[in-house]
Amino acid sequence: DIQMTQSPSSLSASVGDRVTITCRASQGIANYLAWYQQKPGKVPKLLISAASTLQSGVPSRFSGSGFGTDFTLTISSLQSEDVATYYCQKYNSVPLTFGGGTKVEIK
Amino acid sequence: QVQLVESGGGVVQPGRSLRLSCAASEFPFSTYAIHWVRQAPGKGPEWLSYITFDGSEKYYADSVKGRFTISRDNSKNILYLEVNSLRPEDTAVYYCARGGVVGMDVWGQGTTVTVSS
Repeated sequence: DIQMTQSPSSLSASVGDRVTITCRASQGIANYLAWYQQKPGKVPKLLISAASTLQSGVPSRFSGSGFGTDFTLTISSLQSEDVATYYCQKYNSVPLTFGGGTKVEIK
Repeated sequence: QVQLVESGGGVVQPGRSLRLSCAASEFPFSTYAIHWVRQAPGKGPEWLSYITFDGSEKYYADSVKGRFTISRDNSKNILYLEVNSLRPEDTAVYYCARGGVVGMDVWGQGTTVTVSS
């Protein structure tokens, strides 16, 4: 099975900072990569699909990139409401594995 | 609005069974694949199972294969997950999520399963 590895597992940044989270697949998955945001006590929310397609209603400060095995989620200017854990997920084939998550906090 | 609502969770003893349900509304349920995902306390989401729009194909994570069974009733807009031989490590919030070419774009609020003697 393909493994999804996220880094870092946690980060602390200041409001307005640029934040980058990476996700690496153990084998190529083309662009079948989704990013989810899960705020404390809430349900995961789809942010980005197909590696770079922002879902409707998601602020434009979020962006995604990558293809094959290496992917990136970027928050261009961190806001307080972005405090959450972010997960990547492959969805090209089963099992639809999630990454281990990156917890984002405000410094 | 587009909605998924899970039910059927509870506190059960190890070895017992439960049937979880997921009721869909405000979208053409019979045209979508649906997933079950769980999240143990303090852990990340874990994909469990997936059923195609017409129920003709079903897939499972190795961790639940042989113990969990996914099914759907498109006439009632309901998805099910039969969970058998429950273990303490099955304790989690269980979510259903709508599948598609974009990933899982609609999630329910979840139903909690606690396995404890």
